[in-house]
Amino acid sequence: DVKVTQSSRYLVKRTGEKVFLECVQDMDHENMFWYRQDPGLGLRLIYFSYDVKMKEKGDIPEGYSVSREKKERFSLILESASTNQTSMYLCASTLGPNSNQPQHFGDGTRLSIL
Amino acid sequence: SQQGEEDPQALSIQEGENATMNCSYKTSINNLQWYRQNSGRGLVHLILIRSNEREKHSGRLRVTLDTSKKSSSLLITASRAADTASYFCATVPSGSARQLTFGSGTQLTVLP
Repeated sequence: DVKVTQSSRYLVKRTGEKVFLECVQDMDHENMFWYRQDPGLGLRLIYFSYDVKMKEKGDIPEGYSVSREKKERFSLILESASTNQTSMYLCASTLGPNSNQPQHFGDGTRLSIL
Repeated sequence: SQQGEEDPQALSIQEGENATMNCSYKTSINNLQWYRQNSGRGLVHLILIRSNEREKHSGRLRVTLDTSKKSSSLLITASRAADTASYFCATVPSGSARQLTFGSGTQLTVLP
């Protein structure tokens, strides 16, 4: 089974801090994704990556950046955290470019910005 | 932008009953997928239906797709308390190879 691991289940940070959320997958997947999930809004795509050092903006990239230095690891960075970035963050991966593949999710990081 | 919209937003049924959730979307798609999320956990893929398919089954799950109406339904038969979760539909728009667009979900509660 594919395992997608997010480094923290819960995280509390302060406004203005630089925050790193880490995600690792163990199945050599090409594609990795970062979403945020808010009540009533479903999942919204922040960034995704289809190869090492490649990244593409999703629907809500403002205030975020990403890093993919190794195939198995995809990091989400909040450059200067703000209270409106308090949310559940979910990482996912898929094997390759074929669209008929399911996404495999980690258990999420619940981030609170005080 | 949200592509899929689930209906109803919340559903409460008795164990043993069937649960039906609906999803509508706006643009043409490659495929539509259903996911389940237990409270405080990540999403788990349930079933994928391609745009040229009309119906698909997996165990107690039955998914239909009507591309002319841009809608899909997920039926869970003989529901169990363990089916309590949020259910999301997600679409891969035509021309997009990798991106999923999720709806806001249906919260299903199955009462024992």
